[in-house]
Amino acid sequence: DAEITQSPRHKITETGRQVTLACHQTWNHNNMFWYRQDLGHGLRLIHYSYGVHDTNKGEVSDGYSVSRSNTEDLPLTLESAASSQTSVYFCANPDRVQETQYFGPGTRLLVL
Amino acid sequence: DAKTTQPNSMESNEEEPVHLPCNHSTISGTDYIHWYRQLPSQGPEYVIHGLTSNVNNRMASLAIAEDRKSSTLILHRATLRDAAVYYCILSQRSNDYKLSFGAGTTVTVRA
Repeated sequence: DAEITQSPRHKITETGRQVTLACHQTWNHNNMFWYRQDLGHGLRLIHYSYGVHDTNKGEVSDGYSVSRSNTEDLPLTLESAASSQTSVYFCANPDRVQETQYFGPGTRLLVL
Repeated sequence: DAKTTQPNSMESNEEEPVHLPCNHSTISGTDYIHWYRQLPSQGPEYVIHGLTSNVNNRMASLAIAEDRKSSTLILHRATLRDAAVYYCILSQRSNDYKLSFGAGTTVTVRA
């Protein structure tokens, strides 16, 4: 079955370090989204991609970057981790035909 | 973006129906009404969506008011596994269904 996976599932890092969160999908969908989830804010869109070499900024993109070198992967990089980036991060795959989004299991990131 | 308003929490007994209301008085003609739910420590999961007509699937039913300013998600027979946060979200095809999640409704199911 097609799926969307994220790694690592849990990560602890220190302020100022570069961190990369992986997202891998086997749906073969062009669109991939990254969200973060914080108490009191629901999920907010960080970056999104419509296909290889395409990336776009979302609602809360400062301090994050993404790159899309193939269809399957959209890694999210925190250039210099800050405590405010402690959150749960979800990768998602919109399905235009089904008009739904499939979410990964999430990565819990703690920045000390 | 059009916003939605949901109650913070609702409780139900197992095997009883649950009606989750959502107000979206500023909905536009091209907004679809989506419902997702999120179980503890998991990613959001699609439940159902609709535009104007009521919709049914194996998980739930969606009742949309005639003026589309409100909708109700109906879980016909709640089980303990239905305990989750339920999100009512407006989204558009032209926006590639980017989702803006609010706080949602926390549903508790009593055995």
